Amino acid sequence: AQSVSQHNHHVILSEAASLELGCNYSYGGTVNLFWYVQYPGQHLQLLLKYFSGDPLVKGIKGFEAEFIKSKFSFNLRKPSVQWSDTAEYFCAAFIAGSNYKLTFGKGTLLTVNP
Amino acid sequence: DAGVIQSPRHEVTEMGQEVTLRCKPISGHDYLFWYRQTMMRGLELLIYFNNNVPIDDSGMPEDRFSAKMPNASFSTLKIQPSEPRDSAVYFCASSFLDRRELFFGEGSRLTVL
Repeated sequence: AQSVSQHNHHVILSEAASLELGCNYSYGGTVNLFWYVQYPGQHLQLLLKYFSGDPLVKGIKGFEAEFIKSKFSFNLRKPSVQWSDTAEYFCAAFIAGSNYKLTFGKGTLLTVNP
Repeated sequence: DAGVIQSPRHEVTEMGQEVTLRCKPISGHDYLFWYRQTMMRGLELLIYFNNNVPIDDSGMPEDRFSAKMPNASFSTLKIQPSEPRDSAVYFCASSFLDRRELFFGEGSRLTVL
């Protein structure tokens, strides 16, 4: 079965530190990849998505992600985090032909200390 | 434009009671999804609809769970009877033709005592 793995359950950083959250998916075919963010007490919002083309995708709020097909990875990055980035981050994959199963990772909680 | 609207935002009930969660998708969206979020299992897809028709309900945990979409602007998820292990946040999401970018509601936090 297809799966999405997020390596870190909880990441704690200080403001201005750089961020990289890992995401791997287990499928060798065509995939569409997403990062969603859930701020405390709020709903999930789309940060960025990759469908095809340039593997380096830029999203909102200074986030970016790189699709590396050979590594089955789609890591999320931000060069300098802010306190307001404190949230839970979910990687998700839509597998072509999967009867629309958008599979989510278990999420990574990011805490940014001021 | 209004987003996905869910109600209630919070519900506390006792084991054995019936629970009904409601969702109004974004107008014009033709896909509607119900997800459940727990600490242990993360986000799980329960069921999704296309043009009000259930397409895949393989994620519905058991017969106690049922979902309906009587029209394009309304869906319900019902649990009867409820059990403590049903305690979770239930999210509704909708999407348009693209079928891949979901817009989520704010969730219904259910606590079954």
